[in-house]
Amino acid sequence: AQSVTQLGSHVSVSEGALVLLRCNYSSSVPPYLFWYVQYPNQGLQLLLKYTSAATLVKGINGFEAEFKKSETSFHLTKPSAHMSDAAEYFCAAISNDYKLSFGAGTTVTVRA
Amino acid sequence: GAGVSQSPRYKVAKRGQDVALRCDPISGHVSLFWYQQALGQGPEFLTYFQNEAQLDKSGLPSDRFFAERPEGSVSTLKIQRTQQEDSAVYLCASSYLPGATDTQYFGPGTRLTVL
Repeated sequence: AQSVTQLGSHVSVSEGALVLLRCNYSSSVPPYLFWYVQYPNQGLQLLLKYTSAATLVKGINGFEAEFKKSETSFHLTKPSAHMSDAAEYFCAAISNDYKLSFGAGTTVTVRA
Repeated sequence: GAGVSQSPRYKVAKRGQDVALRCDPISGHVSLFWYQQALGQGPEFLTYFQNEAQLDKSGLPSDRFFAERPEGSVSTLKIQRTQQEDSAVYLCASSYLPGATDTQYFGPGTRLTVL
């Protein structure tokens, strides 16, 4: 089974600054990895996913993530934060079965 | 509809009451999942359907939880004799392909509060 760890439960950034959200997974088999965003009182929306085709994955809203096998990491970045990026972000993984294993989530606040 | 829908969006139950939560997946999606999201936590897997077959119910917390998808489309998650620890957001997700690694699309969730 997968284990996903998100470092930092809260991240605060200034508008226009870099957003960096950290995610590490544990597995001996490279998993399929996902980042989801959750706005208040809404369901989870897929930002991007890694399926072993390319290590740098581009998603919606200017986000991207890089798969690093040597570090078992899949960190999410966005070069310039916008106020609308304020939300909760979840990293998730699937390995040999169909169950998504989620991290605990990181709440992003954006300062004007 | 274009996405996964869930009803009701909010449910308040007194301890001991039975509740039923509905999920309408994206039309044509074979796989359907239920997840439970406690406050401040990531979602946790409850159960998985492939068409009408419930292939995995290993995440259901107790025998008070029951899920069905009788015609392979709409699904209902039923909780009997609700307890305060059942308070959570219940998320439904569907995917086009059976099992494995296809993208799961999530509904808005049902927030259950047990008093």
